Amino acid sequence: GENVEQHPSTLSVQEGDSAVIKCTYSDSASNYFPWYKQELGKRPQLIIDIRSNVGEKKDQRIAVTLNKTAKHFSLHITETQPEDSAVYFCAASRGNYGGATNKLIFGTGTLLAVQP
Amino acid sequence: SQTIHQWPATLVQPVGSPLSLECTVEGTSNPNLYWYRQAAGRGLQLLFYSVGIGQISSEVPQNLSASRPQDRQFILSSKKLLLSDSGFYLCASTMWGNTEAFFGQGTRLTVV
Repeated sequence: GENVEQHPSTLSVQEGDSAVIKCTYSDSASNYFPWYKQELGKRPQLIIDIRSNVGEKKDQRIAVTLNKTAKHFSLHITETQPEDSAVYFCAASRGNYGGATNKLIFGTGTLLAVQP
Repeated sequence: SQTIHQWPATLVQPVGSPLSLECTVEGTSNPNLYWYRQAAGRGLQLLFYSVGIGQISSEVPQNLSASRPQDRQFILSSKKLLLSDSGFYLCASTMWGNTEAFFGQGTRLTVV
């Protein structure tokens, strides 16, 4: 079945440094790749997403890259701040194309700790 | 945008007791609905998803079941809870043509 692997499981960086989280997916029909941020005790919230027709997307300090050939995508956070500390999840789905249900398969999460 | 209501927020249940968690959606019609479980505060495991009333797909064999009696209502149930059913349960919704998933606040279930 579909599977998404995520690394690392924990990541500690100093404030101002960059953080990179990587994911690989198994379903070659996946075409939608969102990233969610979950603060302690709260619900996951979408922070950025990318579709298979682009290789990179950026939103201020956050960027995501996609390599469809290798079936992996990455989240890059620059100039990290203490409020970036949270669990980050990658996910993959087939979107709504061809009647698919947009079933999101999540990675196992990365606990990011930004040290002041 | 849509709003997901999920309750209760916390629940402590004895082993062998029944379970019913409810999720309702506002701000959209005919959503795709999902139940996820998050064990040990980390990975999100997809349990069930539904594309319409009465249509349920199960992702993993388990002690739980799901039902969708109305378009914007999704229920997670169990006849007899096991200790291993403990976890953080999240309901989610996506709209057709829009791939962003919105989550409910979650239910922290502790089976004792």
